[in-house]
Amino acid sequence: EVQLVESGGGLVQPGSSLKLSCVASGFTFSNYGMNWIRQAPKKGLEWIALIYYDSSNKYYADSVKGRFTISRDNSKNTLYLEMNSLRSEDTAMYYCAKRAGSGLFDYWGQGVMVTVSS
Amino acid sequence: DIQMTQSPASLSASLGETVTIECRASEDIYNGLAWYQQKPGKSPQLLIYNANSLHTGVPSRFSGSGSGTQYSLKINSLQSEDVASYFCQQYYNYPDTFGAGTKLELK
Repeated sequence: EVQLVESGGGLVQPGSSLKLSCVASGFTFSNYGMNWIRQAPKKGLEWIALIYYDSSNKYYADSVKGRFTISRDNSKNTLYLEMNSLRSEDTAMYYCAKRAGSGLFDYWGQGVMVTVSS
Repeated sequence: DIQMTQSPASLSASLGETVTIECRASEDIYNGLAWYQQKPGKSPQLLIYNANSLHTGVPSRFSGSGSGTQYSLKINSLQSEDVASYFCQQYYNYPDTFGAGTKLELK
């Protein structure tokens, strides 16, 4: 059974940093691209970052480019999202999601909440 | 970026009814479309991919259709467990983009 478990969220002040983690199990993590997708309260879904299976390529939404960094450790089956210079508009539930070959998201974690507020 | 326009924003239907949700892309996405179901307080779950292929374990009352810029999700014989929000997503072109969602409630 595929499982993705996020952690690391919380309440932080504007301008601060936070690092999210996502531990994967139930599939060969090192074979798949992984993503972070967020959902602001009562809002829709926003893809924010993608990392290839071997970390050779990384892509970001314009809204987070230059502030967020996606990374992975295939030896630990873990995906990361380092978030810097956080803003109130970054307040959202953050999901990690496994990427199917064609680009869709076939499995999602339960999500971790990030609240940016003074 | 490809814009995904989803309609309706909300929908109320009775048990056993058939409901249809539409998604329109701002350009041809060549069937690179997925549908997700998100139940209250839960993460999204994949229902349909490649516009009309059912994901593993998804009940057959769900179906997808369409081509070009116009796509739809149909739920036959609505069940109480289908109360959820539904989102479309295009993955034909980077960056992946989602529709705003449709909230389905029971009448």
